[in-house]
Amino acid sequence: DAGVTQSPTHLIKTRGQQVTLRCSPISGHKSVSWYQQVLGQGPQFIFQYYEKEERGRGNFPDRFSARQFPNYSSELNVNALLLGDSALYLCASNLAGGTYEQYFGPGTRLTVT
Amino acid sequence: QQQVKQSPQSLIVQKGGISIINCAYENTAFDYFPWYQQFPGKGPALLIAIRPDVSEKKEGRFTISFNKSAKQFSLHIMDSQPGDSATYFCAVRPDSNYQLIWGAGTKLIIKP
Repeated sequence: DAGVTQSPTHLIKTRGQQVTLRCSPISGHKSVSWYQQVLGQGPQFIFQYYEKEERGRGNFPDRFSARQFPNYSSELNVNALLLGDSALYLCASNLAGGTYEQYFGPGTRLTVT
Repeated sequence: QQQVKQSPQSLIVQKGGISIINCAYENTAFDYFPWYQQFPGKGPALLIAIRPDVSEKKEGRFTISFNKSAKQFSLHIMDSQPGDSATYFCAVRPDSNYQLIWGAGTKLIIKP
């Protein structure tokens, strides 16, 4: 079975632009979580979605938004990009939400110039 | 606020030795304590996890020791191998159940 997949792998954007990152969970998993990992630090929680509803939101500005589709895939959108948004964006999926048995994708490396 | 403090930042261990990574937390309202392993270019992978009602959990060469009164937990890797070279993260889960709060990571290098 395929693991969590994310696209694109790498992305370079300019300050002020908008970006959309995509995630496909493991087949059968209904929950997706998004994390931001700045180089040299641990991941920071951004959102969790379960059954297409937002279950939790971390301490990120409103420029960050997400949604989950009927097939349980998810998109993370970031508007008005700042240099500080440069990071690895990780998607994790699990069966029913929460934090147990989360499986992570390889991430999308976003560079903002 | 930093709720999880992980140490050391980096660690070099000889092949066959014991690798020990520590985490300390500040809040008693955490109920799940996982360790993740991350290789370069990959997402983190769950290694082993513990609940606060037990003091130790062992899976193969990996052991978590948990000290509730001291608000500390540690990862022990026995018979460390070069393939264990990776970055290790501890994490804690608040009662809210939908997020993990992560440590800053420990870069482990196992020398052959």
